[in-house]
Amino acid sequence: GAGVSQTPSNKVTEKGKYVELRCDPISGHTALYWYRQSLGQGPEFLIYFQGTGAADDSGLPNDRFFAVRPEGSVSTLKIQRTERGDSAVYLCASSLNAGGRNEQFFGPGTRLTVL
Amino acid sequence: GQSLEQPSEVTAVEGAIVQINCTYQTSGFYGLSWYQQHDGGAPTFLSYNALDGLEETGRFSSFLSRSDSYGYLLLQELQMKDSASYFCAVGTGDKLIFGTGTRLQVFP
Repeated sequence: GAGVSQTPSNKVTEKGKYVELRCDPISGHTALYWYRQSLGQGPEFLIYFQGTGAADDSGLPNDRFFAVRPEGSVSTLKIQRTERGDSAVYLCASSLNAGGRNEQFFGPGTRLTVL
Repeated sequence: GQSLEQPSEVTAVEGAIVQINCTYQTSGFYGLSWYQQHDGGAPTFLSYNALDGLEETGRFSSFLSRSDSYGYLLLQELQMKDSASYFCAVGTGDKLIFGTGTRLQVFP
């Protein structure tokens, strides 16, 4: 079956612009996670959704970052007034349920470059 | 806060055995996971330990000691395709906190 998909695969933008990154999780997965990964580092937790609600957004670096999952499926990560330091690969993952030994399935990521 | 420590790089030859260690400090720990990531690829799940002891999945095994806040991933009969980065990840609450990763290079 289809895995987690993310669009776009690459996004180049200018400092100060607004961007939206989209994640399509595996059908039926209730938990959805966003991570950010810089070169040579592990994925850094940003936010996770259980259904439609953001259950934990403690990883969002500041109020320029926001994410939604209005129908409990597709999610969009929104970044306002982008800065060069936002450049990274943004990964989305989904799992059948949150927590425990639930394996997370990752998408291929969106590489964001802020010039 | 949370912190995980892994060696930054490990090298080995085909057919060998390699062990990647992970030590952690965290609150609300419920399990230790391992993920593999090839260059330019997505992380993929390898194993999970909730209780102390060894979990075996084919050529890969993972160990956890909760009292020592320590775990390791053991890769046997190494193949060239095992060259990748390996991340331990602590489950806390309902999320994962990842380590900085260990880059494994397998040579012929």
